[in-house]
Amino acid sequence: SAVISQKPSRDICQRGTSLTIQCQVDSQVTMMFWYRQQPGQSLTLIATANQGSEATYESGFVIDKFPISRPNLTFSTLTVSNMSPEDSSIYLCSATGYTEAFFGQGTRLTVV
Amino acid sequence: ELKVEQNPLFLSMQEGKNYTIYCNYSTTSDRLYWYRQDPGKSLESLFVLLSNGAVKQEGRLMASLDTKARLSTLHITAAVHDLSATYFCAVDPARTTSGTYKYIFGTGTRLKVLA
Repeated sequence: SAVISQKPSRDICQRGTSLTIQCQVDSQVTMMFWYRQQPGQSLTLIATANQGSEATYESGFVIDKFPISRPNLTFSTLTVSNMSPEDSSIYLCSATGYTEAFFGQGTRLTVV
Repeated sequence: ELKVEQNPLFLSMQEGKNYTIYCNYSTTSDRLYWYRQDPGKSLESLFVLLSNGAVKQEGRLMASLDTKARLSTLHITAAVHDLSATYFCAVDPARTTSGTYKYIFGTGTRLKVLA
């Protein structure tokens, strides 16, 4: 299994600002993903973080709003840009091993 | 459009009772995953079902997979309060075709076990 450290665990941000979330995995993994989970809802995939190249975004998510980096096999960042209250959510980093995905503890973001 | 639906969405049950949560998905997937999420926490892997007919059990929980029917079940036996949580199923249909692991999550079932 993989242990995923995500930080910050929570933050309260002013609208119009940006927040970068970091995700560190304790072992090399093939795939890393970023999800959003709104309160009481399921998880929605934002993008696949590709090592050394641009992330692959799902429908409804764009690079200008959610830039993602993955400089190596164990580290990725997600930035939530130009935040609005609608971005208030939990953001989860995920890494996939051979048989299953593991998740970070999440970042609870509140935009005021 | 790919859909992964769980039934029921909310479940309130008495301790000691049995119940089944259903997970239906709309496209081919040769694997299915069950996760548990406690309030304010991340997701904990419960079961990985790797093939048609797979059945796995851990304590009071048992999961099964029917890939032909595109259906998985999570059966709860003699529920206890500690099982109160939200349960998600997930499929990774993209893996079948392109080798990527891109999970699509179900709607979630919020379980509350009453003492």
